[in-house]
Amino acid sequence: AQSVTQLDSHVSVSEGTPVLLRCNYSSSYSPSLFWYVQHPNKGLQLLLKYTSAATLVKGINGFEAEFKKSETSFHLTKPSAHMSDAAEYFCVVSAPAGGADGLTFGKGTHLIIQP
Amino acid sequence: DVKVTQSSRYLVKRTGEKVFLECVQDMDHENMFWYRQDPGLGLRLIYFSYDVKMKEKGDIPEGYSVSREKKERFSLILESASTNQTSMYLCASSQGLAGVETQYFGPGTRLLVL
Repeated sequence: AQSVTQLDSHVSVSEGTPVLLRCNYSSSYSPSLFWYVQHPNKGLQLLLKYTSAATLVKGINGFEAEFKKSETSFHLTKPSAHMSDAAEYFCVVSAPAGGADGLTFGKGTHLIIQP
Repeated sequence: DVKVTQSSRYLVKRTGEKVFLECVQDMDHENMFWYRQDPGLGLRLIYFSYDVKMKEKGDIPEGYSVSREKKERFSLILESASTNQTSMYLCASSQGLAGVETQYFGPGTRLLVL
């Protein structure tokens, strides 16, 4: 069994300041973890994924996430927010060989960027 | 680039109608998925398919069926639409095991059932 909790439904930051979107997971296995982004009226796009290689994962658009097994966390960060980062972000956990039905999506965090 | 297209961006149907949502991917992916997305609930898996004519139930299959006659096309069918099926529907595809493989999503179909 596995689950994922995104700790904030909404996060608001000013442009140019750091972004932190928090994600905690639970899994009976060594999980794979993903962050997806959804811009308004668009489908989801992969930001980055962790699949048991390096614990610090770099993704697109300057985002990165660190897998911390001891804290069961996979928080998403970016040093400096840009207006184009405003979107919905989803943390996803999967059993490593979980098959097509092995994904569990978080409920999403809405990132708001203040000018 | 992988492209996943969905037949409609917006759809309005009446209760009891039969509704077809079509999804096509152009990268020869084996796996295809249908999700619904509702505010505060994230994405929930309705059905998925790992090969032509193969289908598996996801977390919320009730009221839905699917068809995969060709590898590139995966259809979601609402046999008798109800108001509680008003939602955003997202199609996705992936190559190999979804546990480690990236899913590629279509733009979504926003369905309103009156």
